[in-house]
Amino acid sequence: DTEVTQTPKHLVMGMTNKKSLKCEQHMGHRAMYWYKQKAKKPPELMFVYSYEKLSINESVPSRFSPECPNSSLLNLHLHALQPEDSALYLCASSQGLRQGRSYNEQFFGPGTRLTVL
Amino acid sequence: RKEVEQDPGPFNVPEGATVAFNCTYSNSASQSFFWYRQDCRKEPKLLMSVYSSGNEDGRFTAQLNRASQYISLLIRDSKLSDSATYLCAVNSRTYKYIFGTGTRLKVLA
Repeated sequence: DTEVTQTPKHLVMGMTNKKSLKCEQHMGHRAMYWYKQKAKKPPELMFVYSYEKLSINESVPSRFSPECPNSSLLNLHLHALQPEDSALYLCASSQGLRQGRSYNEQFFGPGTRLTVL
Repeated sequence: RKEVEQDPGPFNVPEGATVAFNCTYSNSASQSFFWYRQDCRKEPKLLMSVYSSGNEDGRFTAQLNRASQYISLLIRDSKLSDSATYLCAVNSRTYKYIFGTGTRLKVLA
């Protein structure tokens, strides 16, 4: 059973819609991540938050806007997406960012499967 | 050269067989290494971290070869339920995971 939850499980949106993906973790982790995964491809990092501050933005288009309201929650706000943005969006968390045994092990939520029409 | 490379497979093996996967990485400064399992249309699940000394968890053994820059995963006594895609992940100093493209394993009855 995952301790990282994501809602919704599925989302269909038009190119003019605004929607949000939500992620919550209950492990007391201080680092949280958004990934995008297309079919038959590995997950690709989008954003990293550490202690509620954005640490890494992998040159993601501004139509994706992350938010970390507190250490347990991570949102991804979507606006004016393109059909090619259709993918599985995965949230993950880890104890932190520093290297070391188990400290940066990432645990993934079940993902939101997004379809942009 | 890709930063992290895996043989995509599929590896088709009979039940009870031993199978091994390798994953090569290009950044010699990489410090953390992981194996994940991903079932179709599901999220990656952490299988094990890979430590310098090697580590074992039941039927699974992971090893790191820094000199040749690869990690390996050995699965002994394969079960049907082991059928999945196995992803390696390498964490660089920039705290970014780079995933390999995954190796598909099919265990046949």
